[in-house]
Amino acid sequence: ILNVEQSPQSLHVQEGDSTNFTCSFPSSNFYALHWYRWETAKSPEALFVMTLNGDEKKKGRISATLNTKEGYSYLYIKGSQPEDSATYLCAFETNAGKSTFGDGTTLTVKP
Amino acid sequence: NAGVTQTPKFQVLKTGQSMTLQCAQDMNHEYMSWYRQDPGMGLRLIHYSVGAGITDQGEVPNGYNVSRSTTEDFPLRLLSAAPSQTSVYFCASSYSAQGIYEQYFGPGTRLTVT
Repeated sequence: ILNVEQSPQSLHVQEGDSTNFTCSFPSSNFYALHWYRWETAKSPEALFVMTLNGDEKKKGRISATLNTKEGYSYLYIKGSQPEDSATYLCAFETNAGKSTFGDGTTLTVKP
Repeated sequence: NAGVTQTPKFQVLKTGQSMTLQCAQDMNHEYMSWYRQDPGMGLRLIHYSVGAGITDQGEVPNGYNVSRSTTEDFPLRLLSAAPSQTSVYFCASSYSAQGIYEQYFGPGTRLTVT
């Protein structure tokens, strides 16, 4: 069983704050690292997929970086808004498409 | 496209009963998976399939069976429900884009076993 860890488990910030959280994964047998956004009462939706060491992805105010050699990825949210409140999941994909998910970081943004 | 659909949305079972959770996708994805999500935890893989006729176990397969007779359908069977199987179940499908599998999730089935 692969160990994929996310920290912190939960985060409460004020509207306008910038924040970041971490996903740690095994540094061997890396194939891809996925970030998903999961709103309450909905299904997880894909945010980013990263494959190369040093990869950086950006979508609006959300960005992510990847370090495969040391086995971590950071997700950054700049100027958090209440609509950013969700659980952010990372998933470590091995060869042949099998993914192991972390437990998620739950972000609450207060107006 | 309807995407990934799951039925039922909610189900209550008594211990020992059996049932099948249905999952279907209309995107012609070759890869399908079943996950369970428990409070405070992420998604844990139960079973997965890389194509019609091929299935394999995930992280937590005990108490569940699957089959994949068509590309579209991937039902999950609980043979004899136990309270430990109370959870939210998500089905996902994916396809390989340059060897990378991005997953599309269904709306989930909330199962309670009493």
